[in-house]
Amino acid sequence: NAGVTQTPKFRILKIGQSMTLQCAQDMNHNYMYWYRQDPGMGLKLIYYSVGAGITDKGEVPNGYNVSRSTTEDFPLRLELAAPSQTSVYFCASSYSEAGGYNEQFFGPGTRLTVL
Amino acid sequence: AQSVTQLGSHVSVSEGALVLLRCNYSSSVPPYLFWYVQYPNQGLQLLLKYTSAATLVKGINGFEAEFKKSETSFHLTKPSAHMSDAAEYFCAVSGVGRRALTFGSGTRLQVQP
Repeated sequence: NAGVTQTPKFRILKIGQSMTLQCAQDMNHNYMYWYRQDPGMGLKLIYYSVGAGITDKGEVPNGYNVSRSTTEDFPLRLELAAPSQTSVYFCASSYSEAGGYNEQFFGPGTRLTVL
Repeated sequence: AQSVTQLGSHVSVSEGALVLLRCNYSSSVPPYLFWYVQYPNQGLQLLLKYTSAATLVKGINGFEAEFKKSETSFHLTKPSAHMSDAAEYFCAVSGVGRRALTFGSGTRLQVQP
């Protein structure tokens, strides 16, 4: 199993450009998540998905969009990049069942700089 | 609502010394608690988890943590630090019915030779 994979590893964007951060998992997990990590801070939840076709906002969704057309993939879209979106982005997945716990598996991250 | 407080953004210990990283949580539902470790330029890796079984939880690399409900704490310890333990450590909380983790701000552990 490759686990959770993310592409690209690094990216520099100009203000106003758009891009999609890719995330895929091969563990057949139903839940997937996008977090951002700013220096000296913990991870903040951007969006999450509980299954194909179902997504919902987290703590910091403004400026981002997501879609979940398959169980495996959960791309994150930035439409109009702003310097405030400079961060490290982590995708994670978990298998959640009723009464269960959310042990999440993380990808290696995408380091994004907006200039 | 859930939250996590990690006391001390930086902790420095000597090699062979006790490691103690503090985590306090608040949760309106019975919590599930986690410690993750992040090595430089890598993603997060699960160290250990508490899911309402034994209150003393053993994890990988010799780490353990004790759930104390009365103190709302889940501190991480290791009897003897190794140089390879230098990393950032995150405490996180989830709960029955919750769909995501709430993370603390992290503690960077330095190990001095």
